Amino acid sequence: DTGVSQDPRHKITKRGQNVTFRCDPISEHNRLYWYRQTLGQGPEFLTYFQNEAQLEKSRLLSDRFSAERPKGSFSTLEIQRTEQGDSAMYLCASSFAGGNEQYFGPGTRLTVT
Amino acid sequence: AQSVTQLDSQVPVFEEAPVELRCNYSSSVSVYLFWYVQYPNQGLQLLLKYLSGSTLVESINGFEAEFNKSQTSFHLRKPSVHISDTAEYFCAVSEREYGNKLVFGAGTILRVKS
Repeated sequence: DTGVSQDPRHKITKRGQNVTFRCDPISEHNRLYWYRQTLGQGPEFLTYFQNEAQLEKSRLLSDRFSAERPKGSFSTLEIQRTEQGDSAMYLCASSFAGGNEQYFGPGTRLTVT
Repeated sequence: AQSVTQLDSQVPVFEEAPVELRCNYSSSVSVYLFWYVQYPNQGLQLLLKYLSGSTLVESINGFEAEFNKSQTSFHLRKPSVHISDTAEYFCAVSEREYGNKLVFGAGTILRVKS
């Protein structure tokens, strides 16, 4: 297994456009997490899935954000009507349920102009 | 809710000198503790973790961290750093009992100079 992968690695978009990111977790892992990291800060939790169920969402996840994991494998994170404040690195991680170690992907860097 | 404070945003140190990166946490429940490292242009990698048992945990590349419950700290140390240790280091906690979401500190940039 090659680890957690994310696509695209970089995305530049204009304010008001919609963007979608994809995360492919380690295949045996049934938990998948999304985090956001802005410059000079540590990653902040956004949401997580166990299999296809979204079990928790942060208050950071406004109505413009939606995440899915339709078959319990890969996940997508969509941001509608992007704002400049959405510019950040979006990180995906996966783990076993009940496991305490999360494996992170390389991230998708979003720049909203 | 948990929070993590990393007291130093940047730590410059000469090669072969010792270093300590400080981390304090706040939580009303029992937690697991982690240090992650992010090398330039790379993703987050787990460096070491405290789950239970011995309060001193070690990594394969010479780092160690000690869990101090009374001081709610989990400081990271290395007796002799290398240029290749230059990276950003993040302390993180997660609740033991519910879910595993990580709460991170703001990070400490370790700059090793020759």
